[in-house]
Amino acid sequence: DTAVSQTPKYLVTQMGNDKSIKCEQNLGHDTMYWYKQDSKKFLKIMFSYNNKELIINETVPNRFSPKSPDKAHLNLHINSLELGDSAVYFCASSQEGERYFGPGTRLTVT
Amino acid sequence: QKEVEQNSGPLSVPEGAIASLNCTYSDRGSQSFFWYRQYSGKSPELIMSIYSNGDKEDGRFTAQLNKASQYVSLLIRDSQPSDSATYLCAVRLGGGYQKVTFGIGTKLQVIP
Repeated sequence: DTAVSQTPKYLVTQMGNDKSIKCEQNLGHDTMYWYKQDSKKFLKIMFSYNNKELIINETVPNRFSPKSPDKAHLNLHINSLELGDSAVYFCASSQEGERYFGPGTRLTVT
Repeated sequence: QKEVEQNSGPLSVPEGAIASLNCTYSDRGSQSFFWYRQYSGKSPELIMSIYSNGDKEDGRFTAQLNKASQYVSLLIRDSQPSDSATYLCAVRLGGGYQKVTFGIGTKLQVIP
């Protein structure tokens, strides 16, 4: 009955590699998001999709590319990983203002 | 000026006391206000939302909103050690429901 799920939960990789994170929600929400939470615990919006259409793209390096195949799924692909990309990435969904978060993916770049 | 400001804490209160968590925001056009609880190593979990001036109560939690002062607070009555977590204030700024900005969060420690 998981509302928002993400895979993988942990991701350890080396600089320069490419990796993907997948997200799925079964809440029937129209809007999905990617958030980044850094070591200082600040939660920052990266992208927002509404019904498969990109509506928010904050100042994020173009090495990050989101993709939404349908309104229940939102994936994040990261190219050429850098040390500074190490963080916890949360997927979330909403119908209005509230956000429902997935469990997070802890990305460690070595 | 940050869009949503919170004291990062930690805020320490004894068990059974009232914990008061505060948040200020900069955009006078803000419409919706949310409190999330985040346990260490877990994802944020919505605990309260408030949309109009005044108080909103849910169990031991009370959210208070004062739009004139651009201030929102969360009171936790009869604090329990299980309430120890980081509390994130989030504000839906003017310009559409998708734009929600989070504060840095206040770490609450309830001392048994």
